[in-house]
Amino acid sequence: GAVVSQHPSWVICKSGTSVKIECRSLDFQATTMFWYRQFPKQSLMLMATSNEGSKATYEQGVEKDKFLINHASLTLSTLTVTSAHPEDSSFYICSARVGGGGVISTDTQYFGPGTRLTVL
Amino acid sequence: TQLLEQSPQFLSIQEGENLTVYCNSSSVFSSLQWYRQEPGEGPVLLVTVVTGGEVKKLKRLTFQFGDARKDSSLHITAAQPGDTGLYLCAGVGRDDKIIFGKGTRLHILP
Repeated sequence: GAVVSQHPSWVICKSGTSVKIECRSLDFQATTMFWYRQFPKQSLMLMATSNEGSKATYEQGVEKDKFLINHASLTLSTLTVTSAHPEDSSFYICSARVGGGGVISTDTQYFGPGTRLTVL
Repeated sequence: TQLLEQSPQFLSIQEGENLTVYCNSSSVFSSLQWYRQEPGEGPVLLVTVVTGGEVKKLKRLTFQFGDARKDSSLHITAAQPGDTGLYLCAGVGRDDKIIFGKGTRLHILP
């Protein structure tokens, strides 16, 4: 159990276009999902916390109008990179935290496999 | 700001040798986690340590949480080429946010 998927696994787009990345919890409900960004040879940096049914909370320095997050259901959060530029090229990873109940620990975040975004 | 420092950043050793990776912070964390990440994939949780002084073993991997819950170590015994990867320590801090260290890139030579 506790599987998180991301789609697409990789995407190449032209500068100025928008890209949507999906994060799904496949076998559990996640009231909270997190979005991270990882540049080559660097660690994961938290971008925002996504709560189902409410606005996302963005970390300092992350533009909320550029990185749109929607958490419309307990199993799906989306990250849309608007007007993408080459400097947005990165590895985007989501994680999901159990919403309570069941046998999965509520203290654990389960990570998706990541989405590699390349902006030309 | 809560920060986690990992050392060493890079480590290349021969198969069969032992190694220790360190994770240090000036902040106290409610728990500390170790992840392993393969290229092009998301991190996979190895262990969570919660209690100060706690020691957990996972086959040849031994994880220890410092008494003051500010530091942790990962010790690998008889390293194998399959242990090669990026090892990340992560502290669960305020608001349950996970703060990652920069990672230790481990390469085991056959």
